[in-house]
Amino acid sequence: ETGVTQTPRHLVMGMTNKKSLKCEQHLGHNAMYWYKQSAKKPLELMFVYNFKEQTENNSVPSRFSPECPNSSHLFLHLHTLQPEDSALYLCASSQEGGGGRSSDTQYFGPGTRLTVL
Amino acid sequence: KQEVTQIPAALSVPEGENLVLNCSFTDSAIYNLQWFRQDPGKGLTSLLLIQSSQREQTSGRLNASLDKSSGRSTLYIAASQPGDSATYLCVPNDYKLSFGAGTTVTVRA
Repeated sequence: ETGVTQTPRHLVMGMTNKKSLKCEQHLGHNAMYWYKQSAKKPLELMFVYNFKEQTENNSVPSRFSPECPNSSHLFLHLHTLQPEDSALYLCASSQEGGGGRSSDTQYFGPGTRLTVL
Repeated sequence: KQEVTQIPAALSVPEGENLVLNCSFTDSAIYNLQWFRQDPGKGLTSLLLIQSSQREQTSGRLNASLDKSSGRSTLYIAASQPGDSATYLCVPNDYKLSFGAGTTVTVRA
């Protein structure tokens, strides 16, 4: 596989469930990002990881818990979510994150469509 | 904070017509600007990247211009096709990507 992949592509969960989103990049990049896109709204940056270290948390509620075990993999652990958390969650990667920020091009995955009942 | 405005918000044209999508951004101190395409419920596909020192970039039927000092970029799509139907996002990079709402394009066969 090439590029940035995300699994699952669709997820429906109840408010008491615990689930995880997975992102994998095959580009040899060092920075990875989680974005949230709610209906009819622009993308919002959630987290940035650079060389496996979290360099940015954009005031995201603690019910979202990211994990970056290595530069190729990024997870978003979900627990006790609310219906308003239903959105498209996009992962991206870039060559380097420069402390969370970079002039490099970001490459996006296809997204996970999350529905919280 | 960088603010991105794209006009029009939506556009519907018959096949074959040329498209002009406008973008303005408030902070001109950018490294580069990208145009992305997003199909409904899908991820973003990069179309063109213009470095801050460049005035335009071309790829096939697509041409993007950048006037950094005035905070404007324009995406031109020549001879539109139904497959061009998508939302187009202008994304300036001032060391962080900033997103607007995009322009949703519908090309009618």
